[in-house]
This record gives sequence, structure tokens and C-alpha cells, in this order.
Amino acid sequence: SQTIHQWPATLVQPVGSPLSLECTVEGTSNPNLYWYRQAAGRGLQLLFYSVGIGQISSEVPQNLSASRPQDRQFILSSKKLLLSDSGFYLCASTFGETDQRTEGGYTFGSGTRLTVV
Amino acid sequence: GEDVEQSLFLSVREGDSSVINCTYTDSSSTYLYWYKQEPGAGLQLLTYIFSNMDMKQDQRLTVLLNKKDKHLSLRIADTQTGDSAIYFCAEDEGNAGKSTFGDGTTLTVKP
Repeated sequence: SQTIHQWPATLVQPVGSPLSLECTVEGTSNPNLYWYRQAAGRGLQLLFYSVGIGQISSEVPQNLSASRPQDRQFILSSKKLLLSDSGFYLCASTFGETDQRTEGGYTFGSGTRLTVV
Repeated sequence: GEDVEQSLFLSVREGDSSVINCTYTDSSSTYLYWYKQEPGAGLQLLTYIFSNMDMKQDQRLTVLLNKKDKHLSLRIADTQTGDSAIYFCAEDEGNAGKSTFGDGTTLTVKP
């Protein structure tokens, strides 16, 4: 089964500072990877997804960017944070080549609570 | 595009059954999912149902799917205080493994 490691758990950053959130996946190869943001403990907004190394698709225009330098590593970045970037960021993966599942569904990391001050 | 809707809040007494409802728009979804989120944590996949099924039961959880009405429900039998959480309905988009999520139903279980 897959395990997602996501860090840090909480982060307080000043406006205008850079951001780097990292997510790594264990237990599968070539997974699809996703970054979601959850505002105010409610719905999930898909920010980026990746189907392979170096392949990034952006769902919404924003101040953030994503990169996938290795098969099981997904990074969310910003050069200059805005107040509106505050939220709960979740990394997720779906099955990869070594997973026996066919029904999809996400495995989520434990999330990063980002507060921009 | 796809849309998933849920009621925002549900309150039940411990020991009662809880029923959380969801409607979706994409009739081509292959799988529909229920996730649970406890405070400050990520989401956990609770159960799923294949679109050609009407019902799926897994211990205290029963999922009902009415494909004609595009209605999905999650029934939790003998609800416990540990079931208090936000429950998300989601449908697969059939594209790059993406899913569309509802806004979540906050279930409060009172002793």
C-alpha cells in the first residue's frame, strides 16, 4: 500500500517570503501525484497534478508552482507568498505501476497548515 | 464541468444511524468515493462503489448508488463519537486519476 510523507506539518511565513512544501510517496512506482488546497476546513481545490517526472498540469492560475524532480517526489513552491496563499495543503497520490488496485481513489498525506502573516 | 454537492452538517445521537447524501453530475464516472477527514488531518479513503453497483456494504458502512438520479449515500450504522468528522463524497473524472470532491458534510455525534 502507498504511504505519503508530507512536511512540514505547520508553517508560518511572512508575506513576500518563498515557500517549498515537499511530498514523497512510498510503496508504489510511477504514481499520479496531486496538490490540493483546502480552505477553512471545507472543499478541496486541485492546484496541480503530475502523471510523470517533469510533467506538471496546473488547474488554476495562481501564485504557486509545482515540480516533480523524481518519480515519487512532488514539490509545491512559491517565490513570494501572498496572504491569500494561507490554507491547508494536501498532497495525494493514486495508484502506480506496482499497485494492485484498479479502483483509483487517493491516498492523502497528513497535510501542511500554512499561515501567511 | 463536474459538480458534487453535499449538505454541510449532520448531527446524530450515539448509537443511531447516520445517512450522508451526495449528488453528482458526471454520469460517466466509473467510481464514486467516500472519504473521512478528522480535525487537522488528511483525508482517508473510507469506501468506494463501482458505477454498475447499487449497493456496497463494508462492516458498519453501507453505500447506496442511484445512478438514474445521480445520488450517492453513505449510511453509518451504530454511529459512535469517533465517527465525528467531515465526510467527503467524490467522483472520478476519468482523466489522469483526478476526482471532483464535494464540500464535505460535518458529522457531529452527540453522546
